[in-house]
Amino acid sequence: NAGVMQNPRHLVRRRGQEARLRCSPMKGHSHVYWYRQLPEEGLKFMVYLQKENIIDESGMPKERFSAEFPKEGPSILRIQQVVRGDSAAYFCASSPEGDRLSARGKLFFGSGTQLSVL
Amino acid sequence: QKEVEQDPGPLSVPEGAIVSLNCTYSNSAFQYFMWYRQYSRKGPELLMYTYSSGNKEDGRFTAQVDKSSKYISLFIRDSQPSDSATYLCAMSVNNRLAFGKGNQVVVIP
Repeated sequence: NAGVMQNPRHLVRRRGQEARLRCSPMKGHSHVYWYRQLPEEGLKFMVYLQKENIIDESGMPKERFSAEFPKEGPSILRIQQVVRGDSAAYFCASSPEGDRLSARGKLFFGSGTQLSVL
Repeated sequence: QKEVEQDPGPLSVPEGAIVSLNCTYSNSAFQYFMWYRQYSRKGPELLMYTYSSGNKEDGRFTAQVDKSSKYISLFIRDSQPSDSATYLCAMSVNNRLAFGKGNQVVVIP
């Protein structure tokens, strides 16, 4: 049973370009979370999605950032017009459908995408 | 005041020693308390999870929660080189986890 798959593992973008980060949750999981880990900072919650719905985006920056989790395919975190401050490790996590373990913190994390903005 | 405080200082211990880590928090709404372990270039993995004050043991690991003091701890007994990793405390409220900055632990053979 494959774990949470994130790609690419490393992504380099120049300022002003767009970054697209993909996340395929574990099989059977329909709850997806995105977290960002900045240097010298802990993981910060960004957004919580279920299939075709954004449930909680209270941690998302108001501009340039968006996320989706379509009926088919992976979840996408999109960052438009990247700036150097967006350089960070972005982690996706998932939890099972209909399971309140998500509210209790039992998340399964991917290995992350390291975004570097030049 | 940050929601979760974890002194991020690195910790080096000899093999077999007891490792002691702790976090404090300010948000009384936190419902569940966790410790995640993160190896280099990997995502965090859940190590310990509890929701009430008191101790919880799992093998060499003990998680301790004191809700009255808003303080949680993790103890690793008989530490092994394979325990070398970053340990993150985390707390949940609704659908969100709030993480500490993490402690890098190195167990020296």
